[in-house]
Amino acid sequence: GQQLNQSPQSMFIQEGEDVSMNCTSSSIFNTWLWYKQEPGEGPVLLIALYKAGELTSNGRLTAQFGITRKDSFLNISASIPSDVGIYFCAGRMGGGSNYKLTFGKGTLLTVNP
Amino acid sequence: DADVTQTPRNRITKTGKRIMLECSQTKGHDRMYWYRQDPGLGLRLIYYSFDVKDINKGEISDGYSVSRQAQAKFSLSLESAIPNQTALYFCATQLGGGEKLFFGSGTQLSVL
Repeated sequence: GQQLNQSPQSMFIQEGEDVSMNCTSSSIFNTWLWYKQEPGEGPVLLIALYKAGELTSNGRLTAQFGITRKDSFLNISASIPSDVGIYFCAGRMGGGSNYKLTFGKGTLLTVNP
Repeated sequence: DADVTQTPRNRITKTGKRIMLECSQTKGHDRMYWYRQDPGLGLRLIYYSFDVKDINKGEISDGYSVSRQAQAKFSLSLESAIPNQTALYFCATQLGGGEKLFFGSGTQLSVL
């Protein structure tokens, strides 16, 4: 099946620092989604991207749909302690009724106050 | 109240026991999914359903079964639990025609 390579696997940063993470694939995706999972909770959707080159922001978070359609990036600016969690990318390849998502393995973010 | 509710939140059981995990939703979505999360492995799809009585296998369906008797409910069963089924299980819903998934809070299952 399709695979998404998400990196880094984990990050340990100081409060106030900027964060970057990415997902890459050998396959072309039509949609990219970024989720955040906080301890004891399910993943929550942060940003959805639908077009190659698209750049979308949600507060301090910015995500980009790579122009090759094989990658996506998530940046967090001026990190705060509540940014702690696991960030997942997810991609959808097909159209029509194929709405199943493929998930990356996640990036564990720790923010030191 | 949560839109996607999973019960129980935690369960400890013994090898060989039959276990059922429940998921109910008030979002009115037609599609429902069961995922399993293991540390370092991300989310892996077990089963999914696009409508009542519709059942489809995901990438790791062996050892699991599901039931979708009503649009709002999707249950996951482990017929004979084994220790490597110890994991965090998530139910998710999706509105047909869209791609966004909405997750429950998860069920932590431990098989001893």
